[in-house]
Amino acid sequence: ELKVEQNPLFLSMQEGKNYTIYCNYSTTSDRLYWYRQDPGKSLESLFVLLSNGAVKQEGRLMASLDTKARLSTLHITAAVHDLSATYFCAVDGISSNTDKLIFGTGTRLQVFP
Amino acid sequence: NAGVMQNPRHLVRRRGQEARLRCSPMKGHSHVYWYRQLPEEGLKFMVYLQKENIIDESGMPKERFSAEFPKEGPSILRIQQVVRGDSAAYFCASSHFRTSGSYEQYFGPGTRLTVT
Repeated sequence: ELKVEQNPLFLSMQEGKNYTIYCNYSTTSDRLYWYRQDPGKSLESLFVLLSNGAVKQEGRLMASLDTKARLSTLHITAAVHDLSATYFCAVDGISSNTDKLIFGTGTRLQVFP
Repeated sequence: NAGVMQNPRHLVRRRGQEARLRCSPMKGHSHVYWYRQLPEEGLKFMVYLQKENIIDESGMPKERFSAEFPKEGPSILRIQQVVRGDSAAYFCASSHFRTSGSYEQYFGPGTRLTVT
């Protein structure tokens, strides 16, 4: 059974600091996604990573994918309060018949002054 | 281009009643996925449908839950005889044809079901 694990589950960080969220998955996957969710809201797509070594950056967030290690990272640079949210990684491509996403447990990020 | 639409956004049902959740995919999308999110947890896959076909229902509870995506109209997730444990946020996502090379699923705003 495919498992997707994130760590840490909770992250409280000061504005201006850097930190990395890790996403490990247990079976070979073709694609990895990062989403942001604000309380009571839907999921906002942040990154789609399609190949080994893929790196994407948007503002203070940078995501990378190592398919050999089955690991993706979401790096936060110089955090600001607006980044406070829950971040999920998800993988698919496990089956040829379906693209269902398997989500990680989520990382709740709180950025304080 | 309107995004994925879900209604209602909030639904309150008493134990034993039926809940019907609707999802209209993005224009041009023919694949629909339903996910459930329990409080403080990640999303869990429930069912994957194409028009008039259920492709993968491996995440659906065996009883009380059903889904359809008719030729005309929205996709419906139906929960019969709801119980308190069904209280959750239910998200619908849609995507284009896989062979188009576009894999991304776009999520709707969700329906928050509360069972009293």
